[in-house]
Amino acid sequence: AQKITQTQPGMFVQEKEAVTLDCTYDTSDQSYGLFWYKQPSSGEMIFLIYQGSYDEQNATEGRYSLNFQKARKSANLVISASQLGDSAMYFCAMRALFSGGYNKLIFGAGTRLAVHP
Amino acid sequence: DAGVTQSPTHLIKTRGQQVTLRCSPISGHKSVSWYQQVLGQGPQFIFQYYEKEERGRGNFPDRFSARQFPNYSSELNVNALLLGDSALYLCASSLTTGTGLEQYFGPGTRLTVT
Repeated sequence: AQKITQTQPGMFVQEKEAVTLDCTYDTSDQSYGLFWYKQPSSGEMIFLIYQGSYDEQNATEGRYSLNFQKARKSANLVISASQLGDSAMYFCAMRALFSGGYNKLIFGAGTRLAVHP
Repeated sequence: DAGVTQSPTHLIKTRGQQVTLRCSPISGHKSVSWYQQVLGQGPQFIFQYYEKEERGRGNFPDRFSARQFPNYSSELNVNALLLGDSALYLCASSLTTGTGLEQYFGPGTRLTVT
């Protein structure tokens, strides 16, 4: 069964420091995609970064980078130079493809990040 | 360009009632997915629609139904509401159902069942 595990219910970091949010996944598919979303208190899921299973290089998007270790089935999010506005829930997700031509996102339980001044 | 829009923002219903939630995808997007996010959990997949047809369904009872209109907007209906249906309902749109395309989420509808 496909599954995403986020073992850190909550994390805190000092402003301007880097923080790593952990994500491990389980799938038997050869082709899959991994995503990180940010969810502020307003509720909207904001796309941060994407890593394809065949991508050889780790994805980066500005201050966000994804530490992809395929053999360990981990896809950790690294936020550099944390800002107060980074305080939010962070979800790791995996795109699962199904026969019939549809796909869905499977989410982890999330990690609440608090950035302290 | 406008993002994904959902209405209403908040909704309070009584057990046993029926509710309809609405979603308008990003212009040009033909696929809409619905997710339920119970407080303290990650979102759970309910449906995916593409070109007005249901393409996938999650593990939800038949009380949950949806449809997609010719303009690609979508409605999610929940009948015979239960207290456990209280959640944030998220709509996401994408160009197609294909691979490598992230889904863009709307702000959600927060449903409270009393």
